[in-house]
Amino acid sequence: SQTIHQWPATLVQPVGSPLSLECTVEGTSNPNLYWYRQAAGRGLQLLFYSVGIGQISSEVPQNLSASRPQDRQFILSSKKLLLSDSGFYLCAWGGSNQPQHFGDGTRLSIL
Amino acid sequence: QKEVEQNSGPLSVPEGAIASLNCTYSDRGSQSFFWYRQYSGKSPELIMSIYSNGDKEDGRFTAQLNKASQYVSLLIRDSQPSDSATYLCAVNRAGSYQLTFGKGTKLSVIP
Repeated sequence: SQTIHQWPATLVQPVGSPLSLECTVEGTSNPNLYWYRQAAGRGLQLLFYSVGIGQISSEVPQNLSASRPQDRQFILSSKKLLLSDSGFYLCAWGGSNQPQHFGDGTRLSIL
Repeated sequence: QKEVEQNSGPLSVPEGAIASLNCTYSDRGSQSFFWYRQYSGKSPELIMSIYSNGDKEDGRFTAQLNKASQYVSLLIRDSQPSDSATYLCAVNRAGSYQLTFGKGTKLSVIP
C-alpha cells in the first residue's frame, strides 16, 4: 500500500531564516505530488504541484520554491521566511482524476 | 474562477441523528468529487469518492451527486461524537491535475 511521509511535524523558525520541508511517498511510482498550506482557520491553498522529476508548477507567487529531485521526493524550500509563511504545510500525492492523499503535515511557526 | 462552496457551519446535530453536508461547484467540467474529513490539528483524510450521478454508500456515509444542479452532498447516518470534524469537499476537472477544495463545514455531534 502507498504511504506518504512528511517531516518534521512541527517547526519553529525565526523570520529571515531558511526552510526545507521534505516529503516522500512509498508504494507508488510517478505520483503527482502537491504542497498545500492551510493558514489558521482557513482553507487549503495549493502552492506547488509536480507531475514528474524536475517538473514544478507554481500556483501562488511567494518566497517559497519546490523541487522534485527524485520520483517520490518533493521538497519545499525558502531562502528567507516571512511572518506570513506561518501555517500548516501539507504534502499530498495522487493521480490524474484521482483523489489526493495527504501526509501528516508540518506545523510551521515563524517568530 | 472555479469555486467550491460549502456552508462553514458549525453544523450541530445530536448523537444518532443524520448529518447532511452540502457542497456546490461552479465548473461544469468537473468530473470527480471527493469528501475529506479533517480533525482539528490533523491532515485531511479521504472518506468518499463519487464520479457519477446518484448515491454511493460506504458504511454510515452516503455521497450524493447531481451534476445537473452542480451539487454534491455527504450524509452521515447515526452520527457519533467521533464524527465531529471539518468536512472538506473537493472537485476535479477532467484532465486536470488539481483539486479545488471548499473551505469546509465544521460538524459538531452533541452527545
